[in-house]
Amino acid sequence: EPEVTQTPSHQVTQMGQEVILRCVPISNHLYFYWYRQILGQKVEFLVSFYNNEISEKSEIFDDQFSVERPDGSNFTLKIRSTKLEDSAMYFCASMLEDRDTEAFFGQGTRLTVV
Amino acid sequence: AQKITQTQPGMFVQEKEAVTLDCTYDTSDPSYGLFWYKQPSSGEMIFLIYQGSYDQQNATEGRYSLNFQKARKSANLVISASQLGDSAMYFCAMRESYGSGNTGKLIFGQGTTLQVKP
Repeated sequence: EPEVTQTPSHQVTQMGQEVILRCVPISNHLYFYWYRQILGQKVEFLVSFYNNEISEKSEIFDDQFSVERPDGSNFTLKIRSTKLEDSAMYFCASMLEDRDTEAFFGQGTRLTVV
Repeated sequence: AQKITQTQPGMFVQEKEAVTLDCTYDTSDPSYGLFWYKQPSSGEMIFLIYQGSYDQQNATEGRYSLNFQKARKSANLVISASQLGDSAMYFCAMRESYGSGNTGKLIFGQGTTLQVKP
């Protein structure tokens, strides 16, 4: 069964450092998303990506965040200068179409900023 | 603006019994999709079931069914014959409607923690 793969599963970083979270979406999917879940809280939308560009971003997704799909398979989320409050689980999701009846989520990357 | 509300922070159910997890939503758009996800303690998001706003029948997937009451704007998840492995956090989510600038993102509720007792 096809799946979305995220690496690493857990990353610990020093405050102020840059981190890159990686995702490999399902190969024929066209719509990609990043979500964030602070521990014990609900899942929040960060950004959507289609046709090699950002199609929507939330107010959380400020200038410290960026996304790209450098090689047609990987989909990355970069946080330029991490803050303590960036500690969260980050989920990548992909869909074949924006009206798909299932959004496939990766297993998540737990980011801990110390 | 779209909104999802799960009013039950925590629920208990006896093994083998059925349980209903509540979800209400708010939208003014006629076309939307409703999802339920399970999040075990390991953290991954597991898709359970989907209901489209125009679907005439309630969705079912094995032991999961969705009690969709459109007029009440509710989409409750029913788990029949609960198992110990059902203990997890459950999230209701809505895919926003389509139009200019809408991108198919999901809006999540706060979640309900379900504990199944042996």
